[in-house]
Amino acid sequence: GIQVEQSPPDLILQEGANSTLRCNFSDSVNNLQWFHQNPWGQLINLFYIPSGTKQNGRLSATTVATERYSLLYISSSQTTDSGVYFCAVGDYKLSFGAGTTVTVRA
Amino acid sequence: KAGVTQTPRYLIKTRGQQVTLSCSPISGHRSVSWYQQTPGQGLQFLFEYFSETQRNKGNFPGRFSGRQFSNSRSEMNVSTLELGDSALYLCASRGETGQYFGPGTRLTVT
Repeated sequence: GIQVEQSPPDLILQEGANSTLRCNFSDSVNNLQWFHQNPWGQLINLFYIPSGTKQNGRLSATTVATERYSLLYISSSQTTDSGVYFCAVGDYKLSFGAGTTVTVRA
Repeated sequence: KAGVTQTPRYLIKTRGQQVTLSCSPISGHRSVSWYQQTPGQGLQFLFEYFSETQRNKGNFPGRFSGRQFSNSRSEMNVSTLELGDSALYLCASRGETGQYFGPGTRLTVT
């Protein structure tokens, strides 16, 4: 199956800092999603981004499908951005990376 | 539209028992997938149902089963529970812009 690798595994930020999370995948994919897992465990959809660039407020994402990677940018981070960010690829069966745990300190 | 709902949210069972979890997808979504999340294995795909048929299955033992009803609601069942089945079970329904997840059922096996 497709291998999905996320980096870094952990990220500690000061409030207001910017950061970049990376997702590499081992094969061509038609679909890629980014999720934020909240403290109660629910996966919140951030982006559906098989290719190109999208922005939603302080978050943006870029997927370069031909080079098999995607990036998630967090700008002006806030404490509410803390949590685990997952990248997942696939259609009916999502293959997830191990996640990046983000801690934003006030 | 209402989101994906899962019941119950929390469950405590004893080894050897069986459990049934329920998932209601977003209205109009016909594909429902189930995932298991554990600290050691991360998020793993269990199975996917579409129009009451299991289309895809992950690498889990036969103790894990599921079904889908004509209204697209889905249930998963785990028989003969083991301690290692303690996990967060997530259900997702698939739309045009990917999969949308419910809040999960946290199962603890003692």
